[in-house]
Amino acid sequence: GAVVSQHPSWVICKSGTSVKIECRSLDFQATTMFWYRQFPKQSLMLMATSNEGSKATYEQGVEKDKFLINHASLTLSTLTVTSAHPEDSSFYICSARDQTGTYEQYFGPGTRLTVT
Amino acid sequence: AQKVTQAQTEISVVEKEDVTLDCVYETRDTTYYLFWYKQPPSGELVFLIRRNSFDEQNEISGRYSWNFQKSTSSFNFTITASQVVDSAVYFCALSGGNQGGKLIFGQGTELSVKP
Repeated sequence: GAVVSQHPSWVICKSGTSVKIECRSLDFQATTMFWYRQFPKQSLMLMATSNEGSKATYEQGVEKDKFLINHASLTLSTLTVTSAHPEDSSFYICSARDQTGTYEQYFGPGTRLTVT
Repeated sequence: AQKVTQAQTEISVVEKEDVTLDCVYETRDTTYYLFWYKQPPSGELVFLIRRNSFDEQNEISGRYSWNFQKSTSSFNFTITASQVVDSAVYFCALSGGNQGGKLIFGQGTELSVKP
């Protein structure tokens, strides 16, 4: 089956620093990837849609200058949390949609970010 | 607007009991997809099922079964003879035909199966 990886799986950083999270589709090509955020005991909220070769589309209320998304290849999207603050601590999950155009999405294992 | 409602926040059952998780959705799209995911404590989402809006047939997979009723905009999930390993948070999700694959998740139902 299709596999999506995320790196790192967890990260602790100091307030004010930036953190980059990678999302890779390992055995398929994904023109579209999605980034979700999940706070403890809450649901997944879509942050942005990442499109290969073009700018990401952000959901309402998500600061695009704070959450930088780059989808430079058909197998890699990155999310950079800039100038992180404790309130950015969360579980970040990516998903990748295969190129066949089906609505099949494959989720990564998630990255737990803790900002101290 | 699209919306998914899982009214049951937490459910606790004893092993071997049957349990049904409710999911009600709202969408104006005529073509859409419904999903169920399981999220164990590790956090990784486990895909359970996808159903498109034109297929109202119920589905059974082992101890799992799904009941899709467009008339009531519901897509309920039943676990028969529950086991401790079924303990997890279960999410129902919707993807509209014109939404480019974006998933709208319900609030989730935390299922606890006690031995």
